[in-house]
Amino acid sequence: GAVVSQHPSRVICKSGTSVKIECRSLDFQATTMFWYRQFPKQSLMLMATSNEGSKATYEQGVEKDKFLINHASLTLSTLTVTSAHPEDSSFYICSAQRTGRRNQPQHFGDGTRLSIL
Amino acid sequence: KQEVTQIPAALSVPEGENLVLNCSFTDSAIYNLQWFRQDPGKGLTSLLLIQSSQREQTSGRLNASLDKSSGRSTLYIAASQPGDSATYLCAIDDNAGKSTFGDGTTLTVKP
Repeated sequence: GAVVSQHPSRVICKSGTSVKIECRSLDFQATTMFWYRQFPKQSLMLMATSNEGSKATYEQGVEKDKFLINHASLTLSTLTVTSAHPEDSSFYICSAQRTGRRNQPQHFGDGTRLSIL
Repeated sequence: KQEVTQIPAALSVPEGENLVLNCSFTDSAIYNLQWFRQDPGKGLTSLLLIQSSQREQTSGRLNASLDKSSGRSTLYIAASQPGDSATYLCAIDDNAGKSTFGDGTTLTVKP
């Protein structure tokens, strides 16, 4: 079945560091990928929609200069948390949907737990 | 703006029981409704997807229903097992492809 690989699974770093998270669709093409953030015991909140070959679409309240998204190919999207601070500590999850298959489920990565000291 | 509510927030049942998880949403203009499972510290696993024109979907011991007019969906789990213990999330997809998630129901099935 369709697999989405997210890397790294866990990051612990000092305040001020920039962190890049990769989301890859391993056996299908994904024109669109989604990035979510999940705080403890809360649900997923959509941060942005990543579109291959064009700029990402950010949800209200999400700083685009803080969370840089690049979707350079049909199988890879990256999220870079720039100059991370402790309040950026969270669980980040990506998802991808097969190109042209709206009525099929999204496939999620296993998430990245980011801890900023 | 779509709002998704899941009740109860937590549920504990003995092994073998049948159970129902509830999801309600405020805007009936939906594209798909999905039920996911999330294990602690993990990503999401899609369980069932119901298209807007459908009323239910079944997979093994799971059955999900959709009633758009009342803004409700249920996930029925038959003959629960300890391995079913997880958080179950309901998500509504709109026509633009965005998903709105509920806060989830954390299920514990005791052996």
